[in-house]
Amino acid sequence: DIQMTQSPSSLSASVGDRVTITCRASQIISRFLNWYQQKPGQAPKLLISAASSLQSGVPSRFSGSGSGTDFTLTISSLQAEDFATYYCQQSYRTSPTFGQGTKVEIK
Amino acid sequence: QLQLQESGPGLVKPSETLSLTCTVSGASINTNNYYWAWIRQPPGKGLEWIGNIYYSGSTYYNPSLKSRVTISVDTSKNQFSLNLNSVTAADTAIYYCARSTKGYYFNYWGQGTLVTVSS
Repeated sequence: DIQMTQSPSSLSASVGDRVTITCRASQIISRFLNWYQQKPGQAPKLLISAASSLQSGVPSRFSGSGSGTDFTLTISSLQAEDFATYYCQQSYRTSPTFGQGTKVEIK
Repeated sequence: QLQLQESGPGLVKPSETLSLTCTVSGASINTNNYYWAWIRQPPGKGLEWIGNIYYSGSTYYNPSLKSRVTISVDTSKNQFSLNLNSVTAADTAIYYCARSTKGYYFNYWGQGTLVTVSS
């Protein structure tokens, strides 16, 4: 299995802050990396696929970058509705695996 | 608009079989463009992919669950199903069905259903 490790596990930030979440794969996965947002009581929502491809309807303040083993999700200016847990997921192998999640909380 | 809805018992006894069905509406499950997936999330924890199925019936399972999992599809009902046998408390989770692209990312999800394993 490819292990996905996110950092930090949680963070506190204020509205307007720039937030960066990191995801590291245990082996090279090219750009087969996806990001999800999950709010309490809801299913995850796909934000970004293929490391940097923003899904339709997702605000442009979200962006993704990286390749190989190291990836980042950036929220350029945190909004109230962005407080949630974020997961990365590798799709390099036909046995997808997720990171453990990063909880973004209000400071 | 594509919608997925999980259904099945919310309580299963240890050693028994967990069975869930996902009903797809707004699109045909009989497409060669997507897979259909089950994913679970223990309360307060992260996400675990269980497996995918293609409309033809081809399946792909998480190696850690493969010995206990069966996913099947019923194209006539636009449904796919999950069976997980010999369950323990560790299988207590919210179970989601989802649509998987051929790139193995999940772009539509059901709302999820909590299944508790307890006697």
